[in-house]
Amino acid sequence: GAGVSQTPSNKVTEKGKYVELRCDPISGHTALYWYRQSLGQGPEFLIYFQGTGAADDSGLPNDRFFAVRPEGSVSTLKIQRTERGDSAVYLCASSSTGGAGETQYFGPGTRLLVL
Amino acid sequence: TQLLEQSPQFLSIQEGENLTVYCNSSSVFSSLQWYRQEPGEGPVLLVTVVTGGEVKKLKRLTFQFGDARKDSSLHITAAQPGDTGLYLCAETYQGAQKLVFGQGTRLTINP
Repeated sequence: GAGVSQTPSNKVTEKGKYVELRCDPISGHTALYWYRQSLGQGPEFLIYFQGTGAADDSGLPNDRFFAVRPEGSVSTLKIQRTERGDSAVYLCASSSTGGAGETQYFGPGTRLLVL
Repeated sequence: TQLLEQSPQFLSIQEGENLTVYCNSSSVFSSLQWYRQEPGEGPVLLVTVVTGGEVKKLKRLTFQFGDARKDSSLHITAAQPGDTGLYLCAETYQGAQKLVFGQGTRLTINP
């Protein structure tokens, strides 16, 4: 596809469970970003990848959150021991080279509900 | 940490009316971006403003960057139902790659 895709589109889980959210960036984009958007709020930055490495993970809220991008393309955001407060829309974005101010293209998000 | 405040938080008006929404910061912006987000979708970039006093137009949308680069406004002329959505301003904080977003203005245009 031409744009950023995310799967699943919706995920319902129980408190304490483990979840994985997947992001497929635009082909050829080296920079990938994860954001979290709570109800009624703007997106909040979680982590930024340049290639395979996490260049900035300062937004990850705690050590239950982890993300990987092993081949520099697809990324997976992993949440352990989910809590009800983790319920949000998780957005992925990609940009061509990761330059400051470069346009980031967002996917439609994964809506996570923790019961 | 850079704090972006948007106002109003909610706005509901009739088709054909004009409106202005605002984005303000506690610090000087390096550059500012405006996005629109529709339900079930990610934000889509509308415009980037960089220079103090800059004005950019996108059809019926006019974006203005304050002279001191601490505030910005989005004016919509003759609003249409298709303009309905969440309008977000964002900055690349301290030249970093990550975006810092305001909380958004949720705009509803009633036919």
